[in-house]
Amino acid sequence: SQQGEEDPQALSIQEGENATMNCSYKTSINNLQWYRQNSGRGLVHLILIRSNEREKHSGRLRVTLDTSKKSSSLLITASRAADTASYFCAILHTGANSKLTFGKGITLSVRP
Amino acid sequence: DGGITQSPKYLFRKEGQNVTLSCEQNLNHDAMYWYRQDPGQGLRLIYYSQIVNDFQKGDIAEGYSVSREKKESFPLTVTSAQKNPTAFYLCASSIMAGAEQYFGPGTRLTVT
Repeated sequence: SQQGEEDPQALSIQEGENATMNCSYKTSINNLQWYRQNSGRGLVHLILIRSNEREKHSGRLRVTLDTSKKSSSLLITASRAADTASYFCAILHTGANSKLTFGKGITLSVRP
Repeated sequence: DGGITQSPKYLFRKEGQNVTLSCEQNLNHDAMYWYRQDPGQGLRLIYYSQIVNDFQKGDIAEGYSVSREKKESFPLTVTSAQKNPTAFYLCASSIMAGAEQYFGPGTRLTVT
């Protein structure tokens, strides 16, 4: 399967703590993207990291990519209750005819 | 407001009936996508279109049909041939294939 595999499946933390979510994949990629989904809503794009990039930041979000280990991590610092959502990694594989492949998602709960 | 809209939010149909889900975007994006999301699952690609008057099958196209007659519109028809149509359907667009995707709010279809 070309689907990214996220880890853990569920994460529960206290407000103010950091949340780290991981995504692993098996074949070479063009880019990897992280999305957030609040319950019953559409997805919202968070960050896109290209295969030649190692780290990107956006506000409280930090994404890293290790192509040698075929893995990426999403770090949310100083989490807030409003960060409670499902988080998905989506992978654009090399030669994928521009189709993104989404993982099954990580459910993050941030307790106030 | 620029964005992507889907209608209706909830849709109920009897088994054996075809139903069309609407997706409109005013972002001037070339690429548009339809995904299906089942509980606890990631997104699975049904159809995608990289340009007007052209579209390709995704991973689960059987029982679905689409058209792309206008750049801003990409309607999805769920036919009676789709064996398990009850799901949450998400439409997305991107400025070009492989770029970050913007999602609509989704349509929850229930077939009984």
